[in-house]
Amino acid sequence: DAGVTQSPTHLIKTRGQHVTLRCSPISGHKSVSWYQQVLGQGPQFIFQYYEKEERGRGNFPDRFSARQFPNYSSELNVNALLLGDSALYLCASGRRDYNEQFFGPGTRLTVL
Amino acid sequence: QKEVEQDPGPLSVPEGAIVSLNCTYSNSAFQYFMWYRQYSRKGPELLMYTYSSGNKEDGRFTAQVDKSSKYISLFIRDSQPSDSATYLCAMSAETSYDKVIFGPGTSLSVIP
Repeated sequence: DAGVTQSPTHLIKTRGQHVTLRCSPISGHKSVSWYQQVLGQGPQFIFQYYEKEERGRGNFPDRFSARQFPNYSSELNVNALLLGDSALYLCASGRRDYNEQFFGPGTRLTVL
Repeated sequence: QKEVEQDPGPLSVPEGAIVSLNCTYSNSAFQYFMWYRQYSRKGPELLMYTYSSGNKEDGRFTAQVDKSSKYISLFIRDSQPSDSATYLCAMSAETSYDKVIFGPGTSLSVIP
């Protein structure tokens, strides 16, 4: 089985732009979570979706939004990009609402 | 004081050495403890998951939790060059992703 996949791998944007990151969970997984990992720090929780409903939201501004589609894939959207949004964005999937998560390789976003 | 602290390293050891990785925390409500391994340009991979205090062993890895000292450890026996990675501790008080706090990670290099 394929692992969690994320696209794109790398992305360069300028301040004020908008970005959409995509995640495909492991087949059979219904939970998808998004994390932001700044260089030298651990991942910080942004959102969790389970069965297409938002189950958790971290301490991030409203510029960050997400959704989960009927096939359980997910998108993370960030509006009005700031320099501080430069980070590795990780997606993780799991079978149920809370159990072991499997992380994807991440999307590295650079905001200039 | 940060909720979870971890020596960032880098830690460099010879192949075959016993490695000790540690985290301290301030929130006495934490009861779920995890260790993740993150290779360069990859997402974190769950290594060990423990509940409350005590030891847990899995192959060359042993996780220890001392709740009275608010201190957790991961020991790696017979370290291999393939163990070279960043090790993240994570912990939470509840069974929900939005409550998991990650440490900043310790970079480990095992020299052949």
